[in-house]
Amino acid sequence: ETGVTQTPRHLVMGMTNKKSLKCEQHLGHNAMYWYKQSAKKPLELMFVYNFKEQTENNSVPSRFSPECPNSSHLFLHLHTLQPEDSALYLCASSLNRDSPLHFGNGTRLTVT
Amino acid sequence: GESVGLHLPTLSVQEGDNSIINCAYSNSASDYFIWYKQESGKGPQFIIDIRSNMDKRQGQRVTVLLNKTVKHLSLQIAATQPGDSAVYFCAELNKWNTGNQFYFGTGTSLTVIP
Repeated sequence: ETGVTQTPRHLVMGMTNKKSLKCEQHLGHNAMYWYKQSAKKPLELMFVYNFKEQTENNSVPSRFSPECPNSSHLFLHLHTLQPEDSALYLCASSLNRDSPLHFGNGTRLTVT
Repeated sequence: GESVGLHLPTLSVQEGDNSIINCAYSNSASDYFIWYKQESGKGPQFIIDIRSNMDKRQGQRVTVLLNKTVKHLSLQIAATQPGDSAVYFCAELNKWNTGNQFYFGTGTSLTVIP
C-alpha cells in the first residue's frame, strides 16, 4: 500500500472517447502531481497542484485536463486522445514541493 | 532544462553479490537526490535520499554515495536478493522560480540471478 491510490489500473479507450483517471491520497500532503511514463523515457511531469492550485502545466496538450477539487483528490480528464498518448500515467503526492514524491501504482492507458 | 542520466541501462548480478547502480547529474546547484525502485506493475517507491551536505548515507542494505566534484550518485545494494529485481531511478531536485521540480533518469533495470 503506497498511500496513493489510482483508479482504474488499466484503461483502453478509443480516440473519440472521454474518460477520467482518479487519484486519491490520505497522507496529508499538500502537493499532487501527474506524470507520464513511456518506455525508455524519463518520467515526464505533466501537472502540479500545490494547495489545490495548479502551479505548473508542462506544455501538455489540451486533450489532457486536470482537476483538483481538494488536497486529497486529483483527476485527469481525457478526451480525443491519440495512440501516442498510450503510456503509464502516475499520480504522486508530496508534503511540499521539496519533499520526496509518493507514487501510486499508475493507470496503464491504451488508446486504440 | 537539467537532465539526469544513468550509465548502464541493464545490470545482472548473482544473488548474494553486491550491486552498484550509477547516476550522473548535470546541475551542480542540485542539493537533494533520491533513489527510487520500480517493480513491474507498480509505481516508483522511495528507497533512500541524500542532501548535498553529505557524501554518504546508509539504509537497510542500501548505501547512497554522492560525489559533488564529478556530479555522480551511486546506489549500492548489499547481498542482493531476487526481490531487488526492479528498475532503479535517481532523481535530482531542481529549484526554479516557478517551483521545485524533480528530474528523473531513464532508469537501470536490475536482474538478480538466483
